[in-house]
Amino acid sequence: QVPLQESGPGLVKPSQTLSLTCTVSGASVSSGDYYWSWIRQHPGKGLEWIGGIDYSGSTDYNPSLKSRVTISVDTSKSQFSLSLTSVTAADTAVYYCARGPYSTSWYRPYYFDYWGQGSLVTVSS
Amino acid sequence: DIVMTQSPDSLAVSLGERATINCKSNQSILYSSDNKNYLAWYQQKPGQPPKLLIYWASTRKSGVPDRFSGSGSGTDFTLTISSLQAEDVAVYYCQQYYSTSLFTFGPGTKVDIK
Repeated sequence: QVPLQESGPGLVKPSQTLSLTCTVSGASVSSGDYYWSWIRQHPGKGLEWIGGIDYSGSTDYNPSLKSRVTISVDTSKSQFSLSLTSVTAADTAVYYCARGPYSTSWYRPYYFDYWGQGSLVTVSS
Repeated sequence: DIVMTQSPDSLAVSLGERATINCKSNQSILYSSDNKNYLAWYQQKPGQPPKLLIYWASTRKSGVPDRFSGSGSGTDFTLTISSLQAEDVAVYYCQQYYSTSLFTFGPGTKVDIK
């Protein structure tokens, strides 16, 4: 069973908002044991962390994307979401949601131990 | 920002031979309070998401074959595949999680069969 699954439009027009949802199974998004992140991979390129959210709803964002990114959690649906505004062709990528362990002692996340299968989002008119 | 670099960009190794991938950070990712290196290694096969292999620089994730090992400390790290198998063909990434304001990955190393 894959514990994470991305969903959302595969095509977004330039200047619009990219919205993706990650449905979590086998773990609670409100659990203090985990940290929930979005990571993207441009075609044929490396990995870029977009941002993440902890059990309390506290978020961290990549400074290069911070002005355009919002990550939120819906505990009732066991989902967390990504919103990226004012997209351009440079935002065309495979978007992954990922889970990692979180320390409630140190209030910090660590590595990513489970990843969704990824969702290709193309920005084009 | 903590910048991660990897070498080589790609390598081809004969089946059963050793593959060595290097990863370097531009500042130490050894956290003094717990004496742990905040480094992970991932394997990504074509069309698949990355898969965690190693964390804390040398701790193998449960289920990962023991031919994969990680070593190093501070700023210099190594992933070793002791005896390359056909199913190990992939791109390998290192990642630092020392800086929680910005997790960063290395550019990746592609491993092929010679």
